[in-house]
Amino acid sequence: DGGITQSPKYLFRKEGQNVTLSCEQNLNHDAMYWYRQDPGQGLRLIYYSQIVNDFQKGDIAEGYSVSREKKESFPLTVTSAQKNPTAFYLCASSLDPGRKNIQYFGAGTRLSVL
Amino acid sequence: AQKVTQAQTEISVVEKEDVTLDCVYETRDTTYYLFWYKQPPSGELVFLIRRNSFDEQNEISGRYSWNFQKSTSSFNFTITASQVVDSAVYFCALSENYSGNTPLVFGKGTRLSVIA
Repeated sequence: DGGITQSPKYLFRKEGQNVTLSCEQNLNHDAMYWYRQDPGQGLRLIYYSQIVNDFQKGDIAEGYSVSREKKESFPLTVTSAQKNPTAFYLCASSLDPGRKNIQYFGAGTRLSVL
Repeated sequence: AQKVTQAQTEISVVEKEDVTLDCVYETRDTTYYLFWYKQPPSGELVFLIRRNSFDEQNEISGRYSWNFQKSTSSFNFTITASQVVDSAVYFCALSENYSGNTPLVFGKGTRLSVIA
């Protein structure tokens, strides 16, 4: 089945620890995105990547880092600099030609601080 | 700057009632896309519809219909004869770039509860 896989589903971070959220897609999509969702809030963009080896900061990139070494993978690292990391993280991907920016989402990772 | 406003935070309806979810957007671009997504309790966002700024024709898909009015910058979503399975958070979103892959700007969502 084609789709977007996020892992783990639940993640716990200790004080001062970096953690990495995985996002893999087998849709052959060019672009990938990371959004953060807080209770009662919409989705806010953290980072996005339109092609391999290139990515841009979103509105709330501070305390996060990403890499895009392969088309299928776009991992997100939540660093110790992110002081309020507890949230629901959603990864998405989109294919431009003929699909006009419809983004498809993974099932999300819920991150909590211990 | 672009902005999407969903003024209704939560709505509760009884099954079989019709319900309309409001969405108002702001953008300086003349070409853009508007979207609706559904987020069931499982958390994954499900794509419902995309509308481009040049097409103001209303769309109907089963019990769902969308009313796009450029004059009032609104893109409202109506569910007819609601069902319990419609209970979810619904997000309206905007993409300003007419071509290419660009991030979406989301509203804060409307939580719909359909009571049996």
